Amino acid sequence: GAGVSQSPSNKVTEKGKDVELRCDPISGHTALYWYRQSLGQGLEFLIYFQGNSAPDKSGLPSDRFSAERTGGSVSTLTIQRTQQEDSAVYLCASSLAGRGLNEQYFGPGTRLTVT
Amino acid sequence: GNSVTQMEGPVTLSEEAFLTINCTYTATGYPSLFWYVQYPGEGLQLLLKATKADDKGSNKGFEATYRKETTSFHLEKGSVQVSDSAVYFCALSEGGNKLVFGAGTILRVKS
Repeated sequence: GAGVSQSPSNKVTEKGKDVELRCDPISGHTALYWYRQSLGQGLEFLIYFQGNSAPDKSGLPSDRFSAERTGGSVSTLTIQRTQQEDSAVYLCASSLAGRGLNEQYFGPGTRLTVT
Repeated sequence: GNSVTQMEGPVTLSEEAFLTINCTYTATGYPSLFWYVQYPGEGLQLLLKATKADDKGSNKGFEATYRKETTSFHLEKGSVQVSDSAVYFCALSEGGNKLVFGAGTILRVKS
C-alpha cells in the first residue's frame, strides 16, 4: 500500500518568507509526527498528533513554527518568517497509534533551504 | 531528560567484517529501543526494536540486545555487505510517542 508521502520534496525560500510543508500519512494511522534532520542538531522531534487529542508541541523550536492536522489525516507544518537556521530536512512519520510499540513509518522528507 | 548516545562515525569496514555500533541511553523509566537505518537517497526505516530488558531484536542479520544494567542497545552484524552501507540511528521511545534519536553513525563497507 501507499506509504507516507510529503510535499514538496524540495523547497528553496528566501529568508523572511513563510513556508508550508505537507504530510499525507498512511491511511488508518491515527498518530502523526514531525521531526527535522539537520547537520548541527541531528534528528529532532517537533510535534505529535494522536487522534482528537491536543497535540504535543513540546519540540517546536519557536513560535514561528506551527502545525495542524485536518480531519485526522493530512498535516501541514508552517514556518513563518523563515530563518537560515530553519534549513533542514523535515520528516513526517505516522503509526497505527501513539504507542512506542507501534512502528513509526517515515516519509521521504522535505528538504528546506532558506537563502 | 531522555537521551541517546551512539558512537561517532564514519565506520569503515571491509566486506564480511564484524560490525558493532555502540548505543547507550538515559531514560527515567523503561523505554522501548530501536535501530533505524537510512540508506543513501532513501527515507528512515525501522531495522529492529526491543521493548523490555533482555529482549533481542533482529532483522536482516543485525541484532541488538536491550541491556538494562548497562543501559545499552549495541547493534551487531556478523558479516557486513556493501549493501549495508547507510546511516544507522539508535532511538528510544518512552511514554509511547515521540522518538529520541542518537546522532547517527555512518557505515561504509568496502568490497
